[in-house]
Amino acid sequence: DAKTTQPNSMESNEEEPVHLPCNHSTISGTDYIHWYRQLPSQGPEYVIHGLTSNVNNRMASLAIAEDRKSSTLILHRATLRDAAVYYCILRDSSYNTDKLIFGTGTRLQVFP
Amino acid sequence: NAGVMQNPRHLVRRRGQEARLRCSPMKGHSHVYWYRQLPEEGLKFMVYLQKENIIDESGMPKERFSAEFPKEGPSILRIQQVVRGDSAAYFCASSPDRVQPQHFGDGTRLSIL
Repeated sequence: DAKTTQPNSMESNEEEPVHLPCNHSTISGTDYIHWYRQLPSQGPEYVIHGLTSNVNNRMASLAIAEDRKSSTLILHRATLRDAAVYYCILRDSSYNTDKLIFGTGTRLQVFP
Repeated sequence: NAGVMQNPRHLVRRRGQEARLRCSPMKGHSHVYWYRQLPEEGLKFMVYLQKENIIDESGMPKERFSAEFPKEGPSILRIQQVVRGDSAAYFCASSPDRVQPQHFGDGTRLSIL
């Protein structure tokens, strides 16, 4: 399985932008890049996903490198509610499977 | 639209007992996934099911663990003869297909005495 690498932790101040990096140098051509976040005692919450092009939604933006070996999740204005563990994930949806391959995640702290 | 429902939220078993974890997918979702999370770790894939079929169980331990997703009713993850190492949070996710995002429940926290 292809793997992702993320920094263990990051810090931000409220209302500042946050750029969460992820390396996935062994990504295959059919793997989608997904981002989820998880609060304590809760299940992962879907944030955004993409394949090759940059993506935007109401929660965040996803910037994908041209060679697809890395990506960055961008929170445009961090709030206290954005404090969570953020997982960069590859989705393997090949013929006989469909699974999310989680990394160790980045713990984001947001300070008022 | 209710999300993925898992029950119980917390389950305590003694070594050697059986644990049954239930997952009701979101309405209209026919794809179900089970993941396990050990303390301070990311989630690990266990099994992928569609209605009445196991598609990929490569992440399931070979013994004591089984999963089903019957035509009617919730998906069940069954752990027989539990051991201390089975203590973890077990998460279920569902999706309408292999393209739409997987949506997770809030998990069942299994503790083995």
